[in-house]
Amino acid sequence: DIVMNQSPDSLAVSLGERATINCKSSQSLLYTSRNKDFLAWYQQKPGQPPKVLIYWASTRESGVPDRFSGSGSGTDFTLTISRLQAEDVAVYYCQQYLTTPLTFGQGTRLEIK
Amino acid sequence: QVQLVESGGGVVQPRMSLRLSCAASGFAFSSFGMHWVRQAPGKGLEWVAVISYDGSEIHYAESVKGRFTISRDNSKNTLSLQMNNLRNEDTGVYYCAKGWDNIVTINFFDAWGQGTRVTVSS
Repeated sequence: DIVMNQSPDSLAVSLGERATINCKSSQSLLYTSRNKDFLAWYQQKPGQPPKVLIYWASTRESGVPDRFSGSGSGTDFTLTISRLQAEDVAVYYCQQYLTTPLTFGQGTRLEIK
Repeated sequence: QVQLVESGGGVVQPRMSLRLSCAASGFAFSSFGMHWVRQAPGKGLEWVAVISYDGSEIHYAESVKGRFTISRDNSKNTLSLQMNNLRNEDTGVYYCAKGWDNIVTINFFDAWGQGTRVTVSS
């Protein structure tokens, strides 16, 4: 199984500042024949289902604010929120979809400092 | 818009069975792979199972293999999860989720239901 490890487990950032969440996979998520990384990021607010923010490691889902961005390739990935807003308080998960079992990181809880 | 509505959750004793359903609307259900994902209380997300658009390809998490069965009825736009021999560790919220791509079964999830709660306890 591909193990996904996120860091940090929790993060407190001031409003308007940058938040950075890291995700590391136990094997490469780069599918070379398609030159794509099979990595998605989700946001889950309390009492709600997750919502996809980013897929193919860096493609923003339609309707997602451009302050959210994804980067990285291979085994190391980053979700960046450039200017934190109050509504960004949530738990963020990375997920690999290269192969089954599909696996998630343990989640990163983002709070306002 | 895409809508996924789960039902069938409840409180059951260990070793009992439960059947979850997910009613889909707002998209061509018969063209997309569908998943079940669960979340134990206060914990992270765990993928459970996937079924291809036509039911010909199915995969399970090791933790549920042999106990859970995923199925779909494309004539009724419904996804199901039959859960047998339930264990305490199966407790959680079960989400129905739509796969993004209508060609590849293994995918990320671009739509989720609100979830249905399953509690396994004696």
